Amino acid sequence: AQRVTQPEKLLSVFKGAPVELKCNYSYSGSPELFWYVQYSRQRLQLLLRHISRESIKGFTADLNKGETSFHLKKPFAQEEDSAMYYCALSLPFGNEKLTFGTGTRLTIIP
Amino acid sequence: DVKVTQSSRYLVKRTGEKVFLECVQDMDHENMFWYRQDPGLGLRLIYFSYDVKMKEKGDIPEGYSVSREKKERFSLILESASTNQTSMYLCASSPAPIPRLWNQPQHFGDGTRLSIL
Repeated sequence: AQRVTQPEKLLSVFKGAPVELKCNYSYSGSPELFWYVQYSRQRLQLLLRHISRESIKGFTADLNKGETSFHLKKPFAQEEDSAMYYCALSLPFGNEKLTFGTGTRLTIIP
Repeated sequence: DVKVTQSSRYLVKRTGEKVFLECVQDMDHENMFWYRQDPGLGLRLIYFSYDVKMKEKGDIPEGYSVSREKKERFSLILESASTNQTSMYLCASSPAPIPRLWNQPQHFGDGTRLSIL
């Protein structure tokens, strides 16, 4: 079965420093990868997905099939980036189920 | 904007009670999902439904059942609540995937924090 691993439960970064939230997955085929974010007192929402290849709020993520990773990166952290981040995977071609990682709580230190 | 509404933000029930959690979406989405969210465990899928009266088990269905009589409404039922079902419950919906292409992102409700005493 597919699996998503987020090795860091907690991550603290100074404002203005680069951010990298790690995500590794186990699946032999070509999955779809997502990052979801939950800000304090807000609902869980999609941040970005690998097929869109776009930058959202300064975040990017590249699917590395060789390393089976989908790390989330931002060059300069901002205080409003403090949140809970979940990496998620779905199987392609109509399998709508999402498998989530355990999440990383990111705290930006002013 | 997609609206997924969960009927209660907080709920307190007693062990052995039958508990209903309700979820309604207003975007005519085909798919609906129930997750529980626990610290250190992330989100785990309990059940999902891809059409009216259709349901499939997720990863942790034991102790739960679901009902989808109308497209916009998906109910989670705890048949006999137990203390280990104390958790945050999240409902989500998504449109059907684009045929032979990509899945659609899921849209989440605010969650119901359920405490079983």
